[in-house]
Amino acid sequence: DGGITQSPKYLFRKEGQNVTLSCEQNLNHDAMYWYRQDPGQGLRLIYYSQIVNDFQKGDIAEGYSVSREKKESFPLTVTSAQKNPTAFYLCASSPGTGSYNEQFFGPGTRLTVL
Amino acid sequence: DQQVKQNSPSLSVQEGRISILNCDYTNSMFDYFLWYKKYPAEGPTFLISISSIKDKNEDGRFTVFLNKSAKHLSLHIVPSQPGDSAVYFCAARGSGSARQLTFGSGTQLTVLP
Repeated sequence: DGGITQSPKYLFRKEGQNVTLSCEQNLNHDAMYWYRQDPGQGLRLIYYSQIVNDFQKGDIAEGYSVSREKKESFPLTVTSAQKNPTAFYLCASSPGTGSYNEQFFGPGTRLTVL
Repeated sequence: DQQVKQNSPSLSVQEGRISILNCDYTNSMFDYFLWYKKYPAEGPTFLISISSIKDKNEDGRFTVFLNKSAKHLSLHIVPSQPGDSAVYFCAARGSGSARQLTFGSGTQLTVLP
């Protein structure tokens, strides 16, 4: 059963702590993405990766870091430098970026900073 | 500077009637447009898409119209069903190598029984 999994679904952290959100896909997709959604706003791109061991900053990368050591995994670390980390985080993947392929989304992780 | 705009944050429609969701964009380099549907606390799911070389794409109850000269697209749902109640996002893909998606802010559709 192919898909994208994100864990945990809900995450709480204390201010000043780093936290890592997991994203795994077994769709054999080359490209992976991280978005955040805030109330009343669309999805904003944080980071994306087109291939293993390579990633690029999106529109709001400050305070975040990623790695892409394996094709199926694209973890996102929310660092203490992120000024407003409370949000709903979505991971997505697509077969590639060079053709008309829609992105498939995971179920999301809601991060709350206490 | 929002390149993709959904100016109606919410829309209510009676069951069985037509729902029309609108989206405007400013970047003429966008070459592919998508609509996603999202339920609360879930990830968006792909609904329908249209290439910039077309002006209409239909899939069952869902039809997307693209007016390139006006930089406007719309999603028509006919007939609307209560299960269609969700947030609908339009997204546009750039023509650059990364082909990133730019999303609108979403429209909450409520279909009343």
